Amino acid sequence: GDSVTQMEGPVTLSEEAFLTINCTYTATGYPSLFWYVQYPGEGLQLLLKATKADDKGSNKGFEATYRKETTSFHLEKGSVQVSDSAVYFCALRYSGAGSYQLTFGKGTKLSVIP
Amino acid sequence: NAGVTQTPKFQVLKTGQSMTLQCAQDMNHNSMYWYRQDPGMGLRLIYYSASEGTTDKGEVPNGYNVSRLNKREFSLRLESAAPSQTSVYFCASSGYREGTNYGYTFGSGTRLTVV
Repeated sequence: GDSVTQMEGPVTLSEEAFLTINCTYTATGYPSLFWYVQYPGEGLQLLLKATKADDKGSNKGFEATYRKETTSFHLEKGSVQVSDSAVYFCALRYSGAGSYQLTFGKGTKLSVIP
Repeated sequence: NAGVTQTPKFQVLKTGQSMTLQCAQDMNHNSMYWYRQDPGMGLRLIYYSASEGTTDKGEVPNGYNVSRLNKREFSLRLESAAPSQTSVYFCASSGYREGTNYGYTFGSGTRLTVV
């Protein structure tokens, strides 16, 4: 079945450091890919998405490119801030008819220290 | 504000008690979902409703039941709570429009403890 594997955390970075969180997937067909962010005590929020190969999703300085050849969707940010401290989830949704379920990775906790 | 509303936010139950978690969305979404979140496990799908009038089991349905009351509301019931059901529960909804593939909108969660 469909699955998502993301790098295990926790990840601790200093402010202004470069961030990469790896995400790879296994899926039939051509899924859509997502990154969600969960701030402490809150629900998940959509951070960015890409619906086809070579698409780049971007939001709030974060970027991820849908790489079909490597089945990857790595999350990057050039300069992290303390306010980026959160748990990040990679997810996929198979685009087959009638199927809108999201499959999540286990999450990566990011802590940014001043 | 438009979104997904879950109640209650916190709940403590004794083993064997029952309760219903409520969820409502005001975005006219067709699909609704219940997930549980446990440390190191990510989010696991309990049940979902692809459209009004339909419900289906997800990855971890045992010990739960659901009701899609109408297009807006999707409730999750624990008939006889067990300590293994201690978790944070999230409701979510999603809509689909031709040519667009929407992500989910999540509620803020219900933190349930079973003692």
